[in-house]
Amino acid sequence: QKEVEQDPGPLSVPEGAIVSLNCTYSNSAFQYFMWYRQYSRKGPELLMYTYSSGNKEDGRFTAQVDKSSKYISLFIRDSQPSDSATYLCAIPTYSGAGSYQLTFGKGTKLSVIP
Amino acid sequence: NAGVTQTPKFQVLKTGQSMTLQCAQDMNHNSMYWYRQDPGMGLRLIYYSASEGTTDKGEVPNGYNVSRLNKREFSLRLESAAPSQTSVYFCASSEVEARTVFSNQPQHFGDGTRLSIL
Repeated sequence: QKEVEQDPGPLSVPEGAIVSLNCTYSNSAFQYFMWYRQYSRKGPELLMYTYSSGNKEDGRFTAQVDKSSKYISLFIRDSQPSDSATYLCAIPTYSGAGSYQLTFGKGTKLSVIP
Repeated sequence: NAGVTQTPKFQVLKTGQSMTLQCAQDMNHNSMYWYRQDPGMGLRLIYYSASEGTTDKGEVPNGYNVSRLNKREFSLRLESAAPSQTSVYFCASSEVEARTVFSNQPQHFGDGTRLSIL
């Protein structure tokens, strides 16, 4: 089982819809959870992060962590065409010898149709 | 403020040729990273440098070498390119040292080098 799993989609929704993007992870010791957004032909950029369980809200975006089921979600309210991008979850994972690396999900490609 | 700059943006190589991808950051970050991104595989770490003067292997280091030239620059070299190395390569940097317990420090990415090997 891979450490971080993400459905690659693609996902297509009409403008104004609520979008739910999800990842599962394998190690219950993980504490930090991140979402990156990647526009076409660009590098990923950090969108949001959460620590431990619970929700974090930033404008139209909400990141949610359910540690009991090892499930993380990103919700986008009132989705806009400008939200069309690939969304990647990312979790710092221990790689040995005191080092941590960022393990990414495969990314979900989202299209918001006007 | 340029952030992370990668050169070149595009390159086509023949099998067996060598090439160095260049990366520079102007944010005074300690840690730098090289990833490759392939369809269906996501982002995979090739090498990273926790601080100036150190480098370590990531998930997929075979066929690559790196050099942390100074705090700003981190290069990735393909000594003998193979078609399996056709990919989009991203360089990233972060303030936090890679060997510490991770915090909320983000990794800042360049816009990638699109490399095709025929």
